[in-house]
Amino acid sequence: GQNIDQPTEMTATEGAIVQINCTYQTSGFNGLFWYQQHAGEAPTFLSYNVLDGLEEKGRFSSFLSRSKGYSYLLLKELQMKDSASYLCAVRRGSTLGRLYFGRGTQLTVWP
Amino acid sequence: GAGVSQSPRYKVAKRGQDVALRCDPISGHVSLFWYQQALGQGPEFLTYFQNEAQLDKSGLPSDRFFAERPEGSVSTLKIQRTQQEDSAVYLCASSLANRDNEQFFGPGTRLTVL
Repeated sequence: GQNIDQPTEMTATEGAIVQINCTYQTSGFNGLFWYQQHAGEAPTFLSYNVLDGLEEKGRFSSFLSRSKGYSYLLLKELQMKDSASYLCAVRRGSTLGRLYFGRGTQLTVWP
Repeated sequence: GAGVSQSPRYKVAKRGQDVALRCDPISGHVSLFWYQQALGQGPEFLTYFQNEAQLDKSGLPSDRFFAERPEGSVSTLKIQRTQQEDSAVYLCASSLANRDNEQFFGPGTRLTVL
């Protein structure tokens, strides 16, 4: 495997900010992805980072540090509908686009 | 349709039965991936097609698993002599090209082997 590690569960309250961390160890790194998956549904793409730094997209931002093998997904102004599993995935340059996923972080947003 | 579709959405099989799972990718998408997702886990790669060519099947767990995409569009994942450990959600994803930054996933087929 690619040793992708993320917390199993997190909880937060509506309106708050939450940061979901992901660490990875891989050779030939070629991008880090975050997907959102509601129970019983398809994963949906949230963000992509290949260079160091922060990518912002509305309420969601994603950060990457390649030297540290570290990424985080930042969710602001949490809403109940943000309760879902958040999957961190890496792509390697040598493996034709396949993604290596972490086990996912189950986020529960309370009112 | 607008997205990736999969059928059936749910499949219950008795141990030893053969099953066939279908994926209809987004029209024009060259790349097609199959993943297996066990309960509480992230998706695990099974196999990859570029058009009709199966370029990577290194993730298939045994020779009971077979996938095809004969015309470079619809794909079928077949599992022979199903075992209980095959119970999982099977996800299909497609993208315009393998280097695309977004893979579009279908809703999956939940397979339960009794």
